[in-house]
Amino acid sequence: AQSVTQLDSQVPVFEEAPVELRCNYSSSVSVYLFWYVQYPNQGLQLLLKYLSGSTLVESINGFEAEFNKSQTSFHLRKPSVHISDTAEYFCAVSGDTGGFKTIFGAGTRLFVKA
Amino acid sequence: SQTIHQWPATLVQPVGSPLSLECTVEGTSNPNLYWYRQAAGRGLQLLFYSVGIGQISSEVPQNLSASRPQDRQFILSSKKLLLSDSGFYLCAWGDRVYEQYFGPGTRLTVT
Repeated sequence: AQSVTQLDSQVPVFEEAPVELRCNYSSSVSVYLFWYVQYPNQGLQLLLKYLSGSTLVESINGFEAEFNKSQTSFHLRKPSVHISDTAEYFCAVSGDTGGFKTIFGAGTRLFVKA
Repeated sequence: SQTIHQWPATLVQPVGSPLSLECTVEGTSNPNLYWYRQAAGRGLQLLFYSVGIGQISSEVPQNLSASRPQDRQFILSSKKLLLSDSGFYLCAWGDRVYEQYFGPGTRLTVT
């Protein structure tokens, strides 16, 4: 069975500082990995995804994540955060034998301080 | 382009009352459809998913039910709400094992 662990429930950081949100997964099959972002009282939005190919994937707003198969990780990073990045971030995994389901982590609340 | 709608946006219901939340998708056909619940300060809990009309899979035994009367319509129902049913309900559609697209959500408060 697949599972996702987000190692930090909350991450406070100052504006313009770098940030890393950690995600580890377990799966016995090939995986597709995702990061979603949720702003208050809104649905989730896809931030970036790894399906195949290059292990480093980037979003349009400066986030990046690297698929590390040996460490079963998919950490999310940004070199310089903005106040507007304050949100909840969810790591997720789906796979070839996972049916039609996506497994979500518990979420990490990123709080950017001025 | 595809869009997903949910209504109502907010709902306050007394314990024991019925519930009906609706989700519709536009711009795609035969989508996989999902209902999630997000309790305060917690992650996503998959409640139901559907791969076709009339095909519903339940993930968690509870007093909720789901139906898919049309290809792009997904309904979440309850005959009698419990206090524990309060939460943020999210509908999503997906294309097989790839990303899911979420609606704006319904905030349900059971009093």
